Amino acid sequence: DIQMTQSPSSLSASVGDRVTITCRASQSISTYVNWFQQKPGTAPKLLIFGASSLQSGVPSRFSGRGSGTDFTLTISSLQPEDFATYYCQQSYNTPFTFGPGTKVDI
Amino acid sequence: QLQLQESGPGLVRPSETLSLTCTVSSGSISSSPYYWGWIRQSPGKGLEWIGSIYYSGRTYYNPSLKSRLTISVDTPKDQFSLDLSSVTAADTAVYYCARHKAPSSAITAVGQNWFDPWGQGTLVTVSS
Repeated sequence: DIQMTQSPSSLSASVGDRVTITCRASQSISTYVNWFQQKPGTAPKLLIFGASSLQSGVPSRFSGRGSGTDFTLTISSLQPEDFATYYCQQSYNTPFTFGPGTKVDI
Repeated sequence: QLQLQESGPGLVRPSETLSLTCTVSSGSISSSPYYWGWIRQSPGKGLEWIGSIYYSGRTYYNPSLKSRLTISVDTPKDQFSLDLSSVTAADTAVYYCARHKAPSSAITAVGQNWFDPWGQGTLVTVSS
């Protein structure tokens, strides 16, 4: 199975900050990475698919980059509603696997 | 707007079978090229893809669960279901269903896969 790791595991930030989360795959996975946002008590929400494509309805302050083994999710200007946990997920092959998450809080 | 809703028992005894159903509304489960997936989340193992099914009945399972897993589809009812047998405490989790966008009728074909939208999730506890 492809292992996904994320760093940091948590971070503290303020409204307006630029935040970058890193995801690393245990092998090259081209651009087969998706990013999700999860708030407490709710289901994960798709933000980015294919490493850099913004899902419809997702604010443009979210962006994704990367290919191969290293990927990033950037929030250009953190908003109050962005405090949440973020997960990467590989769709290069089955079984699809997720990273352990990065919690963004104040 | 497509919606998914999980239903089923919140408590299952060890060694018994966990059964859940996901009902799709405001959309058809026969839409192509969409699969329909199950994902679970537990404190110990995080998010784990369980498996996905096409409206034709074609399935892909996580090998770690395959020996205990059956996913089925009922297209007239726009429902798909999960049966996980011989459960233990390790199967305690929030179970989510989700629409699985696949590159074609085969999720292993070249192209992107992603899960969107998701149901709200249902907590299943395995305990005697």
